[in-house]
Amino acid sequence: NSKVIQTPRYLVKGQGQKAKMRCIPEKGHPVVFWYQQNKNNEFKFLINFQNQEVLQQIDMTEKRFSAECPSNSPCSLEIQSSEAGDSALYLCASSGNTEVFFGKGTRLTVV
Amino acid sequence: GDQVEQSPSALSLHEGTGSALRCNFTTTMRAVQWFRKNSRGSLINLFYLASGTKENGRLKSAFDSKERYSTLHIRDAQLEDSGTYFCAAETNSAGNKLTFGIGTRVLVRP
Repeated sequence: NSKVIQTPRYLVKGQGQKAKMRCIPEKGHPVVFWYQQNKNNEFKFLINFQNQEVLQQIDMTEKRFSAECPSNSPCSLEIQSSEAGDSALYLCASSGNTEVFFGKGTRLTVV
Repeated sequence: GDQVEQSPSALSLHEGTGSALRCNFTTTMRAVQWFRKNSRGSLINLFYLASGTKENGRLKSAFDSKERYSTLHIRDAQLEDSGTYFCAAETNSAGNKLTFGIGTRVLVRP
């Protein structure tokens, strides 16, 4: 039921390496979100965009992540220097004005 | 910050029976969504409510913004209803950011 596409599905990086994941939101959805879901099923909001502009982001995202949603290109989320605690499922979601739809996620393992 | 308290954390049902999941909110929320995470890990949209109730097959959901809660009822449970159910509430901030509950692991047994 969701048309949000995330790549890659799995990502393995060493500590200190960059980790980049991509997301194609549903066509016509101007709002894009990134969430981190840990092994306890807890969701942490990271950042959201309206069109190409950042609406909100948490402190961690601002300091350690690089995220963008350029027009006519996939959105991306990149951890600049991966840490073991970044191992998680990263979920991208998009929304028109109401309902939010999620992609299948990128599972990042930092070794 | 805004909190979503979801209960129960786990639920075991026999086929054909029913039960309810509940989410309480610490503040007034604009809308609520319910999802099921299936065996492949995908989050499936079940309901979006800004108020009132909605029904879809054997599932029914209600949202009361003023009383700060939402419920999801499962009736005549089937094996394929097994999964982890999440509620997620939309705050009044820009960009309809969702705050998630911790999830309810539902196991339907024959």
